Amino acid sequence: DAGVIQSPRHEVTEMGQEVTLRCKPISGHDYLFWYRQTMMRGLELLIYFNNNVPIDDSGMPEDRFSAKMPNASFSTLKIQPSEPRDSAVYFCASSLPTGELFFGEGSRLTVL
Amino acid sequence: AQSVTQPDIHITVSEGASLELRCNYSYGATPYLFWYVQSPGQGLQLLLKYFSGDTLVQGIKGFEAEFKRSQSSFNLRKPSVHWSDAAEYFCAVHPQGAQKLVFGQGTRLTINP
Repeated sequence: DAGVIQSPRHEVTEMGQEVTLRCKPISGHDYLFWYRQTMMRGLELLIYFNNNVPIDDSGMPEDRFSAKMPNASFSTLKIQPSEPRDSAVYFCASSLPTGELFFGEGSRLTVL
Repeated sequence: AQSVTQPDIHITVSEGASLELRCNYSYGATPYLFWYVQSPGQGLQLLLKYFSGDTLVQGIKGFEAEFKRSQSSFNLRKPSVHWSDAAEYFCAVHPQGAQKLVFGQGTRLTINP
């Protein structure tokens, strides 16, 4: 059974460019989460969805960040315009209501 | 305030030695409890979980954890560590009625040969 799939694994872009990160959750999982991990801040929850509906986006740093989940098998996290301080590893995770998270391998973003 | 605390930021042990990583939580009711491991360049992988019942739970890779209600703790243990256990370890709690995990700050484990 495939786990959570994220793409791209690595992205290098220049400041001001648009970045789109993609995630395919585990089939049957009702919840999808986007996290950001940096050395300075550790693991931060950005937003999570339940049945494709955004429930809590209080962790989204600013309006440059947006996330969508058009269907149960796909979600995107978009940064427009990107800035160097957005450089981080972005993780997608999915879960059942018991809260047990399954993480993807992450997307490492470098903004120059 | 509700929180998850991992008191040790960095621990170094020798290969073959025993290991205990500490985790304390502050919640009114007993939450669901988890330990995750993150190897360099990888995502977080679930080691073990506690929902209810037997307070000693077994996980993958030879790890176990014990839930102690009186101490609000969920410490992770391994009798004999291997060099491949070097990684970052995260304790996480799922408060009852909530839908998102709260993670501790993590403990980085270094193994001396």
